[in-house]
Amino acid sequence: QKEVEQDPGPLSVPEGAIVSLNCTYSNSAFQYFMWYRQYSRKGPELLMYTYSSGNKEDGRFTAQVDKSSKYISLFIRDSQPSDSATYLCAMRTGSARQLTFGSGTQLTVLP
Amino acid sequence: DAEITQSPRHKITETGRQVTLACHQTWNHNNMFWYRQDLGHGLRLIHYSYGVQDTNKGEVSDGYSVSRSNTEDLPLTLESAASSQTSVYFCASSGSPDTQYFGPGTRLTVL
Repeated sequence: QKEVEQDPGPLSVPEGAIVSLNCTYSNSAFQYFMWYRQYSRKGPELLMYTYSSGNKEDGRFTAQVDKSSKYISLFIRDSQPSDSATYLCAMRTGSARQLTFGSGTQLTVLP
Repeated sequence: DAEITQSPRHKITETGRQVTLACHQTWNHNNMFWYRQDLGHGLRLIHYSYGVQDTNKGEVSDGYSVSRSNTEDLPLTLESAASSQTSVYFCASSGSPDTQYFGPGTRLTVL
């Protein structure tokens, strides 16, 4: 079983929809949680970062962490065609400097 | 502007050949990482380095080696290329554990 599980999709939604992307994990020592966005044929880039449980909002994006359920989510409001990309969750323990990534969810927002 | 570059961007080689992929960053980051990205597996860590002369094995290190002789460069060597090493390779660097800056990737095909 992988430490981090992520539904690979693909996920296709109409412009303006609310998108929910999710990851589950098995290692209870994970404390830091990130979402990276990767456009086609590019390297990933950091989108959101959260520490421990709770919500964090940045514009149209909200990251949510539920440590009791070992479940993290990324919500995208008013989705745009420019949001079409692969979204990877990533996480690490408090002492680690390396990240463990999910397999990524491919999202397409249709105009 | 600081950046991270990879070369070559595309490489075709034959089984059994030694191949070296270059990674160069101008962020002056101590932490550098090599990943491979395959469909269904996401980003998997090959090797990483936390400073000059420091190297560590990641999740999928068999058949790969790295050396760190300066802060800017972390070349990845495939000692004897195998078809299973056909993949997209990403180099990343970071100054803080959660924000990794990725290069544009190298597409390697082993025939």
